[in-house]
Amino acid sequence: QVQLQESGPGLVKPAETLSLTCTVSGVSISSYYWSWIRQPPGKGLEWVGYSYYRGSTNYNPSLQSRVAISIDTSKNQYSLKLTSVIAADTAIYYCARVYGGISGRIDSWGQGTLVTVSS
Amino acid sequence: SYELTQPPSVSVSPGQTASITCSGDKLGGKSAYWYQQRAGQSPVLAIYQDNKRPSGIPERFSGSNSGNTATLTISGTQAMDEADYYCQAWDNSLVVFGGGTKLTVL
Repeated sequence: QVQLQESGPGLVKPAETLSLTCTVSGVSISSYYWSWIRQPPGKGLEWVGYSYYRGSTNYNPSLQSRVAISIDTSKNQYSLKLTSVIAADTAIYYCARVYGGISGRIDSWGQGTLVTVSS
Repeated sequence: SYELTQPPSVSVSPGQTASITCSGDKLGGKSAYWYQQRAGQSPVLAIYQDNKRPSGIPERFSGSNSGNTATLTISGTQAMDEADYYCQAWDNSLVVFGGGTKLTVL
């Protein structure tokens, strides 16, 4: 059974870079697409982007200029980097698996990690 | 950009049927997905490809999708079904979520 676990700093200063890692267990990271989804406190879900181990990526157009997702197959992990963060980037960040390729279902989610942007 | 619209809230009495709608341009031509998020928890896939239930999701959950509207139906709603529900679709290889609907079981 697939399990996902987010890790990274819970506090990031404005204008700095948010960096998170998702550790995947139970399946090979090379077999699926992997996504990041965030949720500001008390608000709805916002898709951030996804990546495939062969380098295919796609990002939310509203974040595209600041976001990068990369996969490390040797560690079965993938990462999120969001540059020049502002207070509006404060959210719970979830990593999640996309099953069935592009247009598939998001069938497994991590527990989420709260990242606060504040000085 | 593609948008999915959900009602902010729906209320239902225990044992009754709850219907949550999700509207988007020609949504019926895409697959609709539904996620349940209980308070303080991660989202869980409830319905995929319009009307399929993942293992572990009770039979009282069902879905449909036609025209511009997808609908999540919960028959015989139980107190444990109180949660936020999000619809989701793909548009041009991008993931789109609806704004979410808070289901209250009164």
